[in-house]
Amino acid sequence: DQQVKQNSPSLSVQEGRISILNCDYTNSMFDYFLWYKKYPAEGPTFLISISSIKDKNEDGRFTVFLNKSAKHLSLHIVPSQPGDSAVYFCAASSKNRDDKIIFGKGTRLHILP
Amino acid sequence: DAMVIQNPRYQVTQFGKPVTLSCSQTLNHNVMYWYQQKSSQAPKLLFHYYDKDFNNEADTPDNFQSRRPNTSFCFLDIRSPGLGDAAMYLCATSRAGEWEKLFFGSGTQLSVL
Repeated sequence: DQQVKQNSPSLSVQEGRISILNCDYTNSMFDYFLWYKKYPAEGPTFLISISSIKDKNEDGRFTVFLNKSAKHLSLHIVPSQPGDSAVYFCAASSKNRDDKIIFGKGTRLHILP
Repeated sequence: DAMVIQNPRYQVTQFGKPVTLSCSQTLNHNVMYWYQQKSSQAPKLLFHYYDKDFNNEADTPDNFQSRRPNTSFCFLDIRSPGLGDAAMYLCATSRAGEWEKLFFGSGTQLSVL
């Protein structure tokens, strides 16, 4: 039973355009959401997070939007660069669950020249 | 550079033959995690240590055990590997109070013949 869903296995975006990666969750107890980025042959690295008390968090080219009523979050990358080509994992957690982080399956982003 | 190191990168074992995967960290983080990731699936938490306190996930098979002899090292023991245990095993660490920022190793790809 997937609690964190990334329904797009892959996404291709032209360099310079906006990349939008989507994520849905089912557990209303989740109150903290994260995005991790993974390059081939490397482990995932933390990218950006958002608390459920916010609806937007921005860090440079990366912005995460949270829509609690829809149980949906998205990661926007503007402008997309070749180095953004990677697998992006959406993840969620709840303070009531010993801070356990639940990951989605990931979305592979290809930035096209 | 401080990091999380997993050895070996690739591990091949035989069906039913015990195998140990190792993880070391130079970050001096309190918490160490073991995740299992099968192809095209989400990383799944097997267990974690908060200092010496072991926390097993309810659905982690008894076949999987872990040891943390000191802060720097953590081992994953698979007592009798089955074909279904072939996966990427990811070790991660986090600092107490910054649980959302996991630092991952590059992983060990386990094959079971």
